[in-house]
Amino acid sequence: QVQLVQSGPEVKKPGASVKVSCKASGYTFTNYDITWVRQAPGQGLEWMGWINPYNGNTKYPQNLQGRVTVTTDTTTTTAYMELGSLRSDDTAVYYCARNRDCSSAICYRDLDSWGQGTLVTVSS
Amino acid sequence: DIVMTQSPDSLAVSLGERATIDCKASQSILYSSNNRNYLAWYQQKPGQPPQLLIYWASTRESGVPDRFSGSGSGTDFTLTISNLQAEDVAVYYCQQYYTTPLTFGGGTKVEIK
Repeated sequence: QVQLVQSGPEVKKPGASVKVSCKASGYTFTNYDITWVRQAPGQGLEWMGWINPYNGNTKYPQNLQGRVTVTTDTTTTTAYMELGSLRSDDTAVYYCARNRDCSSAICYRDLDSWGQGTLVTVSS
Repeated sequence: DIVMTQSPDSLAVSLGERATIDCKASQSILYSSNNRNYLAWYQQKPGQPPQLLIYWASTRESGVPDRFSGSGSGTDFTLTISNLQAEDVAVYYCQQYYTTPLTFGGGTKVEIK
């Protein structure tokens, strides 16, 4: 079965960077894009970007451009999300998720499998 | 950006009754070339990641009970939970995937009355 297993919780100081990993299994890793979504405590869901593991193409929202980088390692079927210049309002649970259908030339961006989430706390 | 507005913020429904959640997009998310609405619904239980319930506005994901149904087109969408069960207590989110940035509604909390 499809599984996405994320790395453990992190505590960082303002201005630092954090890198969260997402180990995929149970499917062909390069056939599906991986999307990152975060959720601040008690809040809703915010899209952070996606990556095509086959060709490395990425897409980020404008408000995070320059601060977020998503990468993959196809040899270990692992995706990574790195967020820099951390601020207190970056405190959130970070999720990786698989795009449901990337079988055609277009990848549909609803998300059918999610990692368990990684809590990142930014505090001085 | 497409703004997704959900209503109500919360609702309490008796076991076995129906829960209805609305989601309104600030512009149409119906793609004319394939006549599909790029709208998904998710369920999130406390301490868990979201789970996909519905995609294309009305297609149930595999394994999702048939008491969950989605409807609507263009800008106005509804998630209906018929015969509410105790395990349906959760927060429900809509999401548009018509264009970037991908955006989610603010969530609707469903509780038992």
